[in-house]
Amino acid sequence: DGGITQSPKYLFRKEGQNVTLSCEQNLNHDAMYWYRQDPGQGLRLIYYSQIVNDFQKGDIAEGYSVSREKKESFPLTVTSAQKNPTAFYLCASSRGAVSYNEQFFGPGTRLTVL
Amino acid sequence: AQTVTQSQPEMSVQEAETVTLSCTYDTSENNYYLFWYKQPPSRQMILVIRQEAYKQQNATENRFSVNFQKAAKSFSLKISDSQLGDTAMYFCAFRGTGANNLFFGTGTRLTVIP
Repeated sequence: DGGITQSPKYLFRKEGQNVTLSCEQNLNHDAMYWYRQDPGQGLRLIYYSQIVNDFQKGDIAEGYSVSREKKESFPLTVTSAQKNPTAFYLCASSRGAVSYNEQFFGPGTRLTVL
Repeated sequence: AQTVTQSQPEMSVQEAETVTLSCTYDTSENNYYLFWYKQPPSRQMILVIRQEAYKQQNATENRFSVNFQKAAKSFSLKISDSQLGDTAMYFCAFRGTGANNLFFGTGTRLTVIP
């Protein structure tokens, strides 16, 4: 089955640690995205990538980093510089970064800072 | 910057009845795309319906339909014959032409009562 997988489902981090969230898709999509979801808020874009080896900052990129070495993979690293990282993180992909292309979402990762 | 407003944090509807969720947005663009996403308790984001601004005809997907009022910048979602499985958070989202990300509203929590 084609789709997007995210791992782990739950992640706990101590303050001062970097953690990496995995996102893999087998939909052959060119574009991939990372969103953050906080209670009472909609999703906010962290980073996006339109093509391999290229990525752009979204609205809330500070304290995060990404890489796009393979078309299928778009990992997100939450660094110690992110002041309030506890949130639900969603990865998405689409055929291209054109407006009408539907974004498909993964099941998400819940990150908690202890 | 585009903003999306969902003024109903919570709603409820009796099973088999009809409910309408409201969404307004602000943009200076003439062509754009609007979406309704459903997020059930599993937290998987699922596209419900999509509307292209240049199309005057309201989009329909089975029990789901929209009332798109471009001049009023309104994009409401009507769910007919509500089912228990419709219980979820519903997010309205906007994407401008050439834009790379979706702008989300804060969501409406819908509960279908048996």
